[in-house]
Amino acid sequence: GESVGLHLPTLSVQEGDNSIINCAYSNSASDYFIWYKQESGKGPQFIIDIRSNMDKRQGQRVTVLLNKTVKHLSLQIAATQPGDSAVYFCAVRTGGYQKVTFGIGTKLQVIP
Amino acid sequence: SAVISQKPSRDICQRGTSLTIQCQVDSQVTMMFWYRQQPGQSLTLIATANQGSEATYESGFVIDKFPISRPNLTFSTLTVSNLSPEDSSIYLCSVGSGGDTQYFGPGTRLTVL
Repeated sequence: GESVGLHLPTLSVQEGDNSIINCAYSNSASDYFIWYKQESGKGPQFIIDIRSNMDKRQGQRVTVLLNKTVKHLSLQIAATQPGDSAVYFCAVRTGGYQKVTFGIGTKLQVIP
Repeated sequence: SAVISQKPSRDICQRGTSLTIQCQVDSQVTMMFWYRQQPGQSLTLIATANQGSEATYESGFVIDKFPISRPNLTFSTLTVSNLSPEDSSIYLCSVGSGGDTQYFGPGTRLTVL
């Protein structure tokens, strides 16, 4: 089956610095990847996604990089702000309509 | 993206009772999903709820413990039956809005005493 993991359970960054959150997946047939942000007491919020035919996608202050060779993706947040403090999950689809597997999550703490 | 609401937002229940959680979407959606998020952990899919057919359960989850209804394209319920303290979790519904992405409701925080 699919396993999805994150390298760092907690990441502390200074306000204004860039943040990088990593995620590894195991199934080379995975074709769609999503990053979610979950603030305390709330449901996961969609941030950005990327398909397997791409290796980079940019949004507002966020960039997702996909390396299919080593089955790794990352979320980069530019100029990290206190409002970015949350738990970030990667989610990976491997076949099946919209069915995804979630990683273990990384808690991002922004130091003012 | 769809707007999703859940009721109740939180509840405290006694062991052996049941709790039914409602999920309402502001538009018609084909796929609805129910997840469990145990304290400090990631999300685990319980089942996929399709309108007009029985829910599809993931390994480790059974219909007797987690009965699901999906009476129409905007609504679903998840019941957590015969509650034990191990069922204390956040329960989340999500929807697929026709694209690839799932969007989540705010969650229901269940505490079992």
